[in-house]
Amino acid sequence: NAGVTQTPKFRILKIGQSMTLQCTQDMNHNYMYWYRQDPGMGLKLIYYSVGAGITDKGEVPNGYNVSRSTTEDFPLRLELAAPSQTSVYFCASSYVGGIGDTQYFGPGTRLTVL
Amino acid sequence: QKEVEQNSGPLSVPEGAIASLNCTYSDRGSQSFFWYRQYSGKSPELIMSIYSNGDKEDGRFTAQLNKASQYVSLLIRDSQPSDSATYLCAVNDQAGTALIFGKGTTLSVSS
Repeated sequence: NAGVTQTPKFRILKIGQSMTLQCTQDMNHNYMYWYRQDPGMGLKLIYYSVGAGITDKGEVPNGYNVSRSTTEDFPLRLELAAPSQTSVYFCASSYVGGIGDTQYFGPGTRLTVL
Repeated sequence: QKEVEQNSGPLSVPEGAIASLNCTYSDRGSQSFFWYRQYSGKSPELIMSIYSNGDKEDGRFTAQLNKASQYVSLLIRDSQPSDSATYLCAVNDQAGTALIFGKGTTLSVSS
């Protein structure tokens, strides 16, 4: 199993541009998550999904959108990129998302907005 | 605002010593507690989970949980230079759908 994969690994955007960060998992996990991590900070939850067709906001959803059309894929869309969105983005997945469930992380996407 | 607090460090210990990492959390309803290790430029990887009061040991790692004090700790025995990393404490929210992370403690083990 590849686990959780993310593309691209690195990206530089200009202010106002848009892009989609891709996330795919092959573990048949129901729950998927998007986090961002700023330097010296912990991870902040952007959006999560409990299954195909169901998404919900996390702590810092502004400026982002998500969709979940399949169990495997959970893309994160940035519209009108801003310098404040410069960060490392991690996608994660877990089987049931319940108490005690382990989240597995992808390798991350490092995004710079100039 | 649910919070998880950790000392940012750096925590410096000599090789072979015990490293002690601490974490406090604000949500009394939290029931699951995790320690993730993150090497520079890499993604977090789970090293310990604990759900009930007391100690849980796994090799050189021991997690300790005290729900009454809202306190979680991680002990690393016989610390190695390869243990040098940032350690993130994470706590489930009450709904169990998301993890709340602390900012992490940077550990440096010198040989």
